[in-house]
Amino acid sequence: GQQVQQSPASLVLQEGENAELQCNFSSTATQLQWFYQSPGGSLVSLLSNPSGTKHTGRLTSTTVTKERRSSLHISSSQTTDSGTYLCAIASNMGYKLTFGTGTSLLVDP
Amino acid sequence: GALVYQYPRRTICKSGTSMRMECQAVGFQATSVAWYRQSPQKTFELIALSTVNSAIKYEQNFTQEKFPISHPNLSFSSMTVLNAYLEDRGLYLCGARGRNTGQLYFGEGSKLTVL
Repeated sequence: GQQVQQSPASLVLQEGENAELQCNFSSTATQLQWFYQSPGGSLVSLLSNPSGTKHTGRLTSTTVTKERRSSLHISSSQTTDSGTYLCAIASNMGYKLTFGTGTSLLVDP
Repeated sequence: GALVYQYPRRTICKSGTSMRMECQAVGFQATSVAWYRQSPQKTFELIALSTVNSAIKYEQNFTQEKFPISHPNLSFSSMTVLNAYLEDRGLYLCGARGRNTGQLYFGEGSKLTVL
């Protein structure tokens, strides 16, 4: 089945630094979603980016479909960015999203 | 804009009791709704997919007897965790596919704690 690996597993930054998170997957993805999960557990859908580059605010996601990888770049990190970032993909237009185990980000003031 | 609203956001129930959670599509019509669970220290796994006018499809390890789902219209779905025990703790996530766009929209999750 589909496998999703995220790296690094954890990351500690100083406020203002940039973060680069990686997501690698084992099969072609027709859907790719980046999520943010707060320390309290709530989930926020950040970006849907199955191919190419997408921007929203301080976030930029680049997905190279052929190479089965996606990245999430967070610029000028803030302490409120701390939490877990999850990558999830589906291999067809269905619903079976396979989630990675996430990157835990801590931004120190 | 399109939103998925999940209710309740958090709930605590006693072991052996049941808990119903709701998923409401706001601003769009949802042709399909998927329910996921994130157990403690684990990643999300698909429980079931519910498509209007089709039978609900449950994944392995999840059954209708344990997680009955109702999907009466294009805006609403509910799932009940029957006879909840410790292993049912976690964050339950609803994802809905928009009828016109085909895009997926997600709620914030319903967190279940079982005592």
